[in-house]
Order: sequence, then C-alpha cells, then structure tokens
Amino acid sequence: DAGITQSPRHKVTETGTPVTLRCHQTENHRYMYWYRQDPGHGLRLIHYSYGVKDTDKGEVSDGYSVSRSKTEDFLLTLESATSSQTSVYFCAISEQVSGRLFFGSGTQLSVL
Amino acid sequence: KNEVEQSPQNLTAQEGEFITINCSYSVGISALHWLQQHPGGGIVSLFMLSSGKKKHGRLIATINIQEKHSSLHITASHPRDSAVYICAVGNQFYFGTGTSLTVIP
Repeated sequence: DAGITQSPRHKVTETGTPVTLRCHQTENHRYMYWYRQDPGHGLRLIHYSYGVKDTDKGEVSDGYSVSRSKTEDFLLTLESATSSQTSVYFCAISEQVSGRLFFGSGTQLSVL
Repeated sequence: KNEVEQSPQNLTAQEGEFITINCSYSVGISALHWLQQHPGGGIVSLFMLSSGKKKHGRLIATINIQEKHSSLHITASHPRDSAVYICAVGNQFYFGTGTSLTVIP
C-alpha cells in the first residue's frame, strides 16, 4: 500500500463548516494526489502536489484547497462544506521510478 | 467529454469464463493503468503498461498505443474476481468510470 494513510475514514459534517482531510505517506514519494469518487463519474482529480509547497489544481478544484508543508503530509481542506461535496475522497501517490499508482483507503465524507 | 471510455459498464459471468474489459482513450499517454476496487474497499493497482502485454497470474493486460486501446483479460474467472475494474491514463490521470464485474459460482 506504499504506506499511505488517510484520516479520518468517515466524516459527517454540516453545510458551511470547514473540513480537513489528511493524507500521510511514509515513503518519501514526490507526487501526491487528491481525488473524489462519485457514482457515474469515476475518479476526478481535485488537486495534486509535486513537492513540498508545490501544488496545482485539478479538474474539480473549486471549493477545495490543499497544503503540503512536509513531504509526508498532503492536506485537503473544504473551506465551507456544501452538500455537493459529499463524496468518497481518495489520496494517491505515484512512484517516481515505476510510475505505479497507490491509493489510500478513502474517506467517506457526508455533508448534511 | 470523456478522455477515457470503458466497456462494458457492467458484466456478469459464470465462474470459469474468460472475461475481457476494454478501455479506449483520447489523450496522448506514456502509460496506462488498470486498477481494481472491491465493494467498499480500497483501490489496488493491477498493471501499469506502456506497450505490448503484461501478465500476472490469471490477469493479462494488453495495449495498442496506435489505436489508443487497452484490454484487461481474466482467464478462468472466479467469484473473488468480482470487483470494479478501472482504467486510468495521463500524467495526472484521467479515469474511466469503471467496469463492474460479477462472477457467479
């Protein structure tokens, strides 16, 4: 699993509240990604990072921000959660040498 | 606009059958990934390939770069193969919506 841990695994929150999801890796991979998975859409890229403090937007970045102050941690923040952000969120890394993708276990987020 | 199209969306097979899942893509790529997701479970990388064919156990993945097409084959399918199979391409990765496979004993 390339040492990827997501927290929390489940979260229920109310509309308008801030939410932060954490992705932690133990193997010093440079590239980290946040995706959301929704029925009928497959996985969609929210933000990605190619190093400490180096991040960029993905396909569905509106309403989300990220931070990477350390190699091992990539945080996804919903500044003011909306019901449309109810989803399963996956963190992933890609190995620099092999290019293989490894995913965290996912976070089920419900915004009521 | 879907950069990655998978077919079929759903597939039911009898145990022992040979299964093929297809992936077509429209972007230029350096590699294509096949992933597996069990119900309620995480996502596991099965293959990464940039040309030709790869085999792992009963799973075989092929890719034709010129035709922008890849196939995932499962030989002698088993109920434990029941999962969603996802194709992914591109640098930051575009994903297909997945093929839901059910193998009946």
